[in-house]
Parts: sequence; C-alpha cells; structure tokens
Amino acid sequence: DQQVKQNSPSLSVQEGRISILNCDYTNSMFDYFLWYKKYPAEGPTFLISISSIKDKNEDGRFTVFLNKSAKHLSLHIVPSQPGDSAVYFCAARGLTGNQFYFGTGTSLTVIP
Amino acid sequence: DTGVSQDPRHKITKRGQNVTFRCDPISEHNRLYWYRQTLGQGPEFLTYFQNEAQLEKSRLLSDRFSAERPKGSFSTLEIQRTEQGDSAMYLCASSPQGISSDTQYFGPGTRLTVL
Repeated sequence: DQQVKQNSPSLSVQEGRISILNCDYTNSMFDYFLWYKKYPAEGPTFLISISSIKDKNEDGRFTVFLNKSAKHLSLHIVPSQPGDSAVYFCAARGLTGNQFYFGTGTSLTVIP
Repeated sequence: DTGVSQDPRHKITKRGQNVTFRCDPISEHNRLYWYRQTLGQGPEFLTYFQNEAQLEKSRLLSDRFSAERPKGSFSTLEIQRTEQGDSAMYLCASSPQGISSDTQYFGPGTRLTVL
C-alpha cells in the first residue's frame, strides 16, 4: 500500500524555467515531509523539508508547499538549472517518528 | 566529513546463500536506518536503530533478514537463504539526535543481485 505517491515518473523543463514536482499522501497523520534528490550511483541527498504546521518553506531556489486538506505537497525549483537534473523523492514521517515513507520518485531533466 | 559508507558496493550471490552488508554511519550520528530500493520504486523502510537498540522494524521484513548495531556505531544487515526477490539496492542512512534528527544522510548503497 503506497502511502506516498508521485504520479509523474518524469518531467522535462527548460533551463531558467520553473520545475514543479508533485507528491500526494494518504495518511492524514503524517506530520513532517521531506524532499530528497538522487543522482545516479549515489544515495539520496536531503533537499528541503516542511512541518505540517506550515504551508510553505523556502530555501534559496527551492520552495516546498503543503496543502494538508488535499494531502498534497509540491516542490518548486526556480530558476531550474541543468545541475538540478536528478530523481526527486518526497518522503513522509510516520506516526512513530522513526519510519519514513518514500514516493516512487520523479526524474527531472533540465534542458540547457 | 566522510559521509555514510557502505560495503560492499556490489554483491552477486546465488540463491540460497547468505550475505552480509556493512554500514558505517557518520560519526556521532546515533540514528541509523536501513532501506531497500527496487527498480522504479522509492526507498522502502526496513529497520531503525537508535544507538545499539533496534527500535523499529518494518512488518514487511522477512525473518530471513537480521540487522545489528552492536556498539552503536557501524551496522550490519544479513540476509539468509537469499531469494531472487531480494535483488535490490540496500541503502543505509544515519541522522543526528536533536533538531536535525529527521534529516537522513544516505550512503551510496549496496546493490545485491541474486542469481
């Protein structure tokens, strides 16, 4: 049972434009969400996070938005750069605080 | 900062054999996680340690899988009587205690192929 879903397996964006990656979750008890970026042959790298008490968190070019009523979060990257090309995973922290549920990932390609 | 390291990076084994993987977390990180990732999927939680104590295991974790963290530093994950379905990338992650405890630092993974 996939509790965190990323319905877009891939996304292509022109350099300089905005990239929007989406994530949906099913468990309304999740209280903390994270985005990770993964390059080939490397482990995922933490990017940005958001607590359920907020609806937006920004860090440089990266902004995460959380819509709790819709159980939806999104990652905005602006402006997109070729170095952003990677697989992006969203993750949610489970009820115990020790277990994290990951989505299936979205492969972002930023075209120069 | 040497990051999280995992050994070996690749392992090919025959069905029925036992395999063991090692993870060295970032020093002073007391939290350690094991995940499994198959093609086209995200990391799937397997187990969690706080120091040497294994505090949580996925209910999906077969009893052929066992993990240890004997001195609260490195950890091992053993799979007994491997099956072809065990073929996957096995990821280890660690995190510090405190305010950044939810930020996990991942190793490069061990890719297991069971023939």
